[in-house]
Amino acid sequence: SYELTQPPSVSVSPGQTARITCSGDALPKQYAYWYQQKPGQAPVLVIYKDSERPSGIPERFSGSSSGTTVTLTISGVQAEDEADYYCQSADSSGTYPYVVFGGGTKLTVL
Amino acid sequence: EVQLVQSGAEVKKPGESLKISCKGSGYSFTSYWIGWVRQMPGKGLEWMGIIYPGDSDTRYSPSFQGQVTISADKSISTAYLQWSSLKASDTAMYYCARLGYYDSSGYQICVYYWGQGTLVTVSS
Repeated sequence: SYELTQPPSVSVSPGQTARITCSGDALPKQYAYWYQQKPGQAPVLVIYKDSERPSGIPERFSGSSSGTTVTLTISGVQAEDEADYYCQSADSSGTYPYVVFGGGTKLTVL
Repeated sequence: EVQLVQSGAEVKKPGESLKISCKGSGYSFTSYWIGWVRQMPGKGLEWMGIIYPGDSDTRYSPSFQGQVTISADKSISTAYLQWSSLKASDTAMYYCARLGYYDSSGYQICVYYWGQGTLVTVSS
């Protein structure tokens, strides 16, 4: 089966850089996407196609990919960035898109 | 403006049936896959399955095959998620999600538009 693995939690102080990883065997062949979810809210897309930012997402959010691991980087973390973050990928080689989420990472701003 | 508007919160008893809905507007409803996502209390996002309203092609993630039914009525731009016999473990927030985001390089298999979520509580 197709799985994405994330660390359960990451903690940083305000102004520091947070890095959240996501690992999966299929990631060299497929793009990764990142979502931010705050309590009581629907997720928000913050990175698509490994490293692109949708309009309206602050520049401090960036993404990168290396082999079987993709990384979401938040530079100059702010208190408002405290949230759960999920990676997602999709296998489109078949007749339909097979979508998978990672288990999620709770970002705590100390 | 693209919108996905879900039906309201439900409180049900174990063994009861339920059908929740997700109405799309502001785009061609028949041209995008609609997915359903489960989020159990305090847990992560789980992709349940998808439907292509244009031809009702429906696919389920292995964990949800046989547990739920996804359907759509393209005449009213609405997708559905239903259970025939609810269990306490079905208690969760359920989101519908439009799969597909276009940028300058084309179609991306991700979710930009989400419904607001429907909270389903199953308790005796």
